[in-house]
Amino acid sequence: KAGVTQTPRYLIKTRGQQVTLSCSPISGHRSVSWYQQTPGQGLQFLFEYFSETQRNKGNFPGRFSGRQFSNSRSEMNVSTLELGDSALYLCASSLRDESEQFFGPGTRLTVL
Amino acid sequence: AQSVAQPEDQVNVAEGNPLTVKCTYSVSGNPYLFWYVQYPNRGLQFLLKYITGDNLVKGSYGFEAEFNKSQTSFHLKKPSALVSDSALYFCALGGGYQKVTFGTGTKLQVIP
Repeated sequence: KAGVTQTPRYLIKTRGQQVTLSCSPISGHRSVSWYQQTPGQGLQFLFEYFSETQRNKGNFPGRFSGRQFSNSRSEMNVSTLELGDSALYLCASSLRDESEQFFGPGTRLTVL
Repeated sequence: AQSVAQPEDQVNVAEGNPLTVKCTYSVSGNPYLFWYVQYPNRGLQFLLKYITGDNLVKGSYGFEAEFNKSQTSFHLKKPSALVSDSALYFCALGGGYQKVTFGTGTKLQVIP
């Protein structure tokens, strides 16, 4: 089976712009989660989607949003980018509630 | 609210010696607990999990972890450390209808 894929792998944006990141989970996985990883804050949970519904949400401002499509692919959008949004954004999928998560390689976002 | 603590930012151990990476948690109800490893410039990889059953869980690459309900701990262990075990280790709590909370990570340095 193919692993979790994320596109693009690298992205450079300027403050005020918006960005959309994409994640394709492992085939058959209906849960997709997004995380922000920074050296200072560690791994922070953004949100989780299950069967096209947002099931859990972390403590991020409304500029961060996401969605999941019927084929389980997910997108994450960040509007009005700030310098502090520079981070590695990780997507993970899982098969069942008690299952481990499989992580993609991440999208490295740099905001200038 | 649930939480995970990894009290050590870094653990140094000599090659061949046993290693322990500590994790404690707080949650109401029964926990789903996981360990993940992140090698440099790579995504997170699943090591092992505790859902229910035997308190000693065995995982990938010779790692194991002991679930201790009374001490609310889930420490990661390996009898004999390898230089190639040097990486960033994350403990995680949750899953399903509970959002996943990651610890801050512990950098393991195995010294030749």
